[in-house]
This record gives sequence, C-alpha cells and structure tokens, in this order.
Amino acid sequence: GDSVTQMEGPVTLSEEAFLTINCTYTATGYPSLFWYVQYPGEGLQLLLKATKADDKGSNKGFEATYRKETTSFHLEKGSVQVSDSAVYFCALSDLGGYQKVTFGTGTKLQVIP
Amino acid sequence: DAGVIQSPRHEVTEMGQEVTLRCKPISGHDYLFWYRQTMMRGLELLIYFNNNVPIDDSGMPEDRFSAKMPNASFSTLKIQPSEPRDSAVYFCASSRGGQGNGELFFGEGSRLTVL
Repeated sequence: GDSVTQMEGPVTLSEEAFLTINCTYTATGYPSLFWYVQYPGEGLQLLLKATKADDKGSNKGFEATYRKETTSFHLEKGSVQVSDSAVYFCALSDLGGYQKVTFGTGTKLQVIP
Repeated sequence: DAGVIQSPRHEVTEMGQEVTLRCKPISGHDYLFWYRQTMMRGLELLIYFNNNVPIDDSGMPEDRFSAKMPNASFSTLKIQPSEPRDSAVYFCASSRGGQGNGELFFGEGSRLTVL
C-alpha cells in the first residue's frame, strides 16, 4: 500500500537558518504530493502541493519538488522565522480511485530567536 | 466561506460515558474524513465517506466507535462506552473529489479527555 516516510523530529533551528525536512514515498501509481502544516492548537492546513513529476510547489517561502526518480518531496526554506515553528506533515493522494490521503508521522520544527 | 466546523472544541468526560463529536463539512465537498491525533500514534485515519457513504472504516479502533453521515452537511463520530485511551484530538476534514485533487480542509479539532 501507499506510505510516506519523513524525517524524525524535533528539528531545532536558529532564526534565518536553512531548513530541509526530508520526505520519501511509496505508491503504486502517480500520486499527488502535499505538505501540510499544523500550528499549535490548530488543525492541519495545506502549505503546498505538486501533482506531477518535476513540479515544484511553493508557498510562504517554502518549496518542494516532486522527484519521481528518487520518490522524494523534500521541504525547504532558505531562511526560517520563529513564526514557522509548527509540525509539518508530508502526504500523498492516490489518483487511482477514491481519494484517500496518506500522511507521514509529522516533523516538529522549533525556531529559536 | 465557512471552513469545516467541529463541535465541541473540548470535551471532558468520565470512563464509560457516551461521547458524540460533530462535524459540518464545507458546502460542496463530497468527501469527509475523521482523523485521530495522539502523541504516541500521530495522525490516524479512522473512517472516510464519499457522498455520505462510508468507503473505508478499517481505521476504526473497535466496535465502541461508530460514525454516521446522514446528509451532506453533517457527520458524527460516537464513542460508547468511552475509555481513557480514547483521549486524543479528533479532526474532521473534507475535500472536493476529482482526479488529482486530494487537498483536505481540516477543522480545528475536538480535544477529548476521558478520565
């Protein structure tokens, strides 16, 4: 079945540092890939997405590129801010049938001033 | 537009009591999902519906859990009887179907504490 593996957290960075959160996936077809973010006390919200190979999703300074050859969708940001502190979830959606979304375990990011 | 609305936001109950969580999806969305989030197990899909029909309930922990969607604008998740290990944040999410979508819109969650 489909699965998503993302790096263990927590990740602690200083403000303005470079961020990478690794995500790899296993799927039988050609899924859409997503990054969701969860701020403290809130539900998940979509951060960015990519629907086909080599697509780059971007939002709020975050980027991720759909790499079919390495089955990866790593999240990057060039300069993190304290307000980026949250839990980040990588996810995929199966295109082949009912749209079941599979989430990774989440990576907690803490940015310190 | 209103987002996904869940109630109650917080529920504290005693072991053995019945708990009902409610969800109003975004109008026009034809998929509805119930998730449970805990520190130990992360985010777990419990059940999801398409056009009010349950499609996959394999994530429902046991017979104490049940979910219904009587119409396109309302769903409930019921736990009877509740146990302390059911303490978690329960999220409802909805989405619009179609190939290549899969974007979920989450509610703010219902935090359940079973004493």
